[in-house]
Amino acid sequence: KNQVEQSPQSLIILEGKNCTLQCNYTVSPFSNLRWYKQDTGRGPVSLTIMTFSENTKSNGRYTATLDADTKQSSLHITASQLSDSASYICVVSGTSGTYKYIFGTGTRLKVLA
Amino acid sequence: ETGVTQTPRHLVMGMTNKKSLKCEQHLGHNAMYWYKQSAKKPLELMFVYNFKEQTENNSVPSRFSPECPNSSHLFLHLHTLQPEDSALYLCASSQDWRGRTDTQYFGPGTRLTVL
Repeated sequence: KNQVEQSPQSLIILEGKNCTLQCNYTVSPFSNLRWYKQDTGRGPVSLTIMTFSENTKSNGRYTATLDADTKQSSLHITASQLSDSASYICVVSGTSGTYKYIFGTGTRLKVLA
Repeated sequence: ETGVTQTPRHLVMGMTNKKSLKCEQHLGHNAMYWYKQSAKKPLELMFVYNFKEQTENNSVPSRFSPECPNSSHLFLHLHTLQPEDSALYLCASSQDWRGRTDTQYFGPGTRLTVL
């Protein structure tokens, strides 16, 4: 069964600290993996997208890694800011004939001053 | 941020009401999507339209009826809903649904409450 699991479910850190969010998936065959940021009351916004051949991609203070062999991805946030408080969603696409995204349940991050 | 707009932002309706959600994208995309987001659950893909043609209906109950009159507009018509249909309904668009690395752009969502 195609699944995407994220950990931790929630995380609280102090402003300025770094953190890493995890995503494990069982989607096969694999096409790409995306990380989205969703602020409360808003739609998700794409942060990064990685295909099979890419193992790291950065977007400002956000760096995503991908290990297609172990089917794991991480999102590292450097020097966190209050505005980083949001849910971070991992989404995996397969290469099967039906076009589908498999969404994780997200990690809710709270950055405290 | 304003590339995909949704109206209304909030909606409260009774189980016997009929209402419609509207989505409009100003990005020149060809594919549009409806998603349902319930508390503590992953986003659920409901419908996909590509060039106005429905390409995906993810086993959605018939009380949800989509309409895509053109590539820029997408509607979700609601009738005889159940309380468990209360959720955030998100619209998204992308250049082309066949593009595996296509980025989806989401609207702000409509928060629906069914009484």
